Amino acid sequence: DTAVSQTPKYLVTQMGNDKSIKCEQNLGHDTMYWYKQDSKKFLKIMFSYNNKELIINETVPNRFSPKSPDKAHLNLHINSLELGDSAVYFCASSQARAGQTQYFGPGTRLLVL
Amino acid sequence: GDSVTQMEGPVTLSEEAFLTINCTYTATGYPSLFWYVQYPGEGLQLLLKATKADDKGSNKGFEATYRKETTSFHLEKGSVQVSDSAVYFCALSTNSGYSTLTFGKGTMLLVSP
Repeated sequence: DTAVSQTPKYLVTQMGNDKSIKCEQNLGHDTMYWYKQDSKKFLKIMFSYNNKELIINETVPNRFSPKSPDKAHLNLHINSLELGDSAVYFCASSQARAGQTQYFGPGTRLLVL
Repeated sequence: GDSVTQMEGPVTLSEEAFLTINCTYTATGYPSLFWYVQYPGEGLQLLLKATKADDKGSNKGFEATYRKETTSFHLEKGSVQVSDSAVYFCALSTNSGYSTLTFGKGTMLLVSP
């Protein structure tokens, strides 16, 4: 049983294109997250949704737009892709209460050419 | 703001050697502390956690003790295996508001036979 799944696993695209990454969790959690991992492995929170409402929006270009159609799904749409967007994007989920363990998806490896 | 500092890697060890990866943190209040592990090409997995001072988290032979007086959560294992080669992330989650993780920069561990 996959707990947190992401599609696609790999994404290679040209600069200027628009792409989406999808995330689904079957853990019954009410909070979902997007993280970006750069080439040096550094992880940084981008967005967080609780019960379909945006609760964390870090300093991220507005070309990135998250959407949560329901508690089990959190998608990430990226417009006008740039070379610097190349990274691994991880989705995660947890219960909202502070201190709860976050469970991560396998990641989407995005390469912008 | 909250922050986590980990020793820089890579840490290179021979099989059966003793492992310590240092982690210190800065946070307001009393955070929960986590160690996550990322195997090559995979997502992050929770390795262990501790939610209050003096708690010891343990899993798969790894241990870490929450030390409030030194604001530390060092990861240890008595005898590493080649299969432990991975990147290890120390993280904290403040115990107020929503559950968000602040990560350290990660420490790569390479174990040779």
